[in-house]
Amino acid sequence: AQSVTQLGSHVSVSEGALVLLRCNYSSSVPPYLFWYVQYPNQGLQLLLKYTSAATLVKGINGFEAEFKKSETSFHLTKPSAHMSDAAEYFCAVSDPSGTSYGKLTFGQGTILTVHP
Amino acid sequence: EAQVTQNPRYLITVTGKKLTVTCSQNMNHEYMSWYRQDPGLGLRQIYYSMNVEVTDKGDVPEGYKVSRKEKRNFPLILESPSPNQTSLYFCASSPRSAYSYNEQFFGPGTRLTVL
Repeated sequence: AQSVTQLGSHVSVSEGALVLLRCNYSSSVPPYLFWYVQYPNQGLQLLLKYTSAATLVKGINGFEAEFKKSETSFHLTKPSAHMSDAAEYFCAVSDPSGTSYGKLTFGQGTILTVHP
Repeated sequence: EAQVTQNPRYLITVTGKKLTVTCSQNMNHEYMSWYRQDPGLGLRQIYYSMNVEVTDKGDVPEGYKVSRKEKRNFPLILESPSPNQTSLYFCASSPRSAYSYNEQFFGPGTRLTVL
């Protein structure tokens, strides 16, 4: 069974500071990995995904994430936070073998607060 | 515009009163899924459908029903809602369910309160 752990349910940064949101996964096979963002009162939007190509993945809005197999991690970063980045972020995994029929297993979510 | 729509967006009801939350997508996606979001638990899958007339249970199916009579629609039915089903519900769709690297597209969510 797969699982995802996001360290820190709340992260607060200053505008212009580095954003680092942590995600660790547990899986019997190297999974596909996703980061989604949820703005207030909206659905989830894909930020980026890892599907076994390049280990450093660039996404929208200046975010990127690095897949580290040895650490079973897929942390999300952004060099300089903007007020508009304030949202809840979810890390998710799916099983590439196809047996889970596309199911996403989500982490608990991390609420990012950006203050001036 | 490609999108997943859900109705209603907000619903307050009472225990035992049957309700249906509709979900529709205009992207001709084969795969559709329902999730519920609860604080500290992230999103958990309720049911999914790989195509018309093909549905199966997710991780938390108790108390829910679904149907997939048309490709674009995937309604979620609560036959006898209970307060523990108070939650935020999301419908999602993606092409080609067997390819689990596909992005899932999410609807805007339905906030349900069961009194």
